[in-house]
Amino acid sequence: GQNIDQPTEMTATEGAIVQINCTYQTSGFNGLFWYQQHAGEAPTFLSYNVLDGLEEKGRFSSFLSRSKGYSYLLLKELQMKDSASYLCAVREGNAGNMLTFGGGTRLMVKP
Amino acid sequence: SQTIHQWPATLVQPVGSPLSLECTVEGTSNPNLYWYRQAAGRGLQLLFYSVGIGQISSEVPQNLSASRPQDRQFILSSKKLLLSDSGFYLCAWGPNQPQHFGDGTRLSIL
Repeated sequence: GQNIDQPTEMTATEGAIVQINCTYQTSGFNGLFWYQQHAGEAPTFLSYNVLDGLEEKGRFSSFLSRSKGYSYLLLKELQMKDSASYLCAVREGNAGNMLTFGGGTRLMVKP
Repeated sequence: SQTIHQWPATLVQPVGSPLSLECTVEGTSNPNLYWYRQAAGRGLQLLFYSVGIGQISSEVPQNLSASRPQDRQFILSSKKLLLSDSGFYLCAWGPNQPQHFGDGTRLSIL
């Protein structure tokens, strides 16, 4: 089984940088995913890490440390539209490509 | 390109009534298909997944069931809904990663 932890809520200011952390415990790690979910909508894929290091994609970056069971999502130059929940999900190698999701971090961006 | 369709978008049902939610995928073959439920303010809970026609795996025992009558069709059903079945139901597909989600069905049980 898996245990995935991420903060419940975070608040940040427009234009700033915010880091959303995710820690996990798993027996057969095979990838970590970040999704963005606006209220009342379906999650949309943001990033995928399977090797250690930083993956950058525009204003969003995701970092992974497999030895520490740790990932973070970094959002730069925050915009009001970035207010959403951010879901961390882990895939186990022996789990038929299934993802286990954390509870999500609700980010509120203030002017 | 691949697309995923899920309907209805919203549904209000009385306790004890049956349920049928449908999900179809276009533009791909032999996808892995998933049903998730998201309770208000909470994370996604995997309910069922399927790696092929007629192959269903259940993650959480409950009064829901799933079927895959065709390669790109995934159906979530219940014979008698409970109040606790209220939530946001999401269908997803993936060849491997990432999973792509449908727009979801918001189910309210009265």
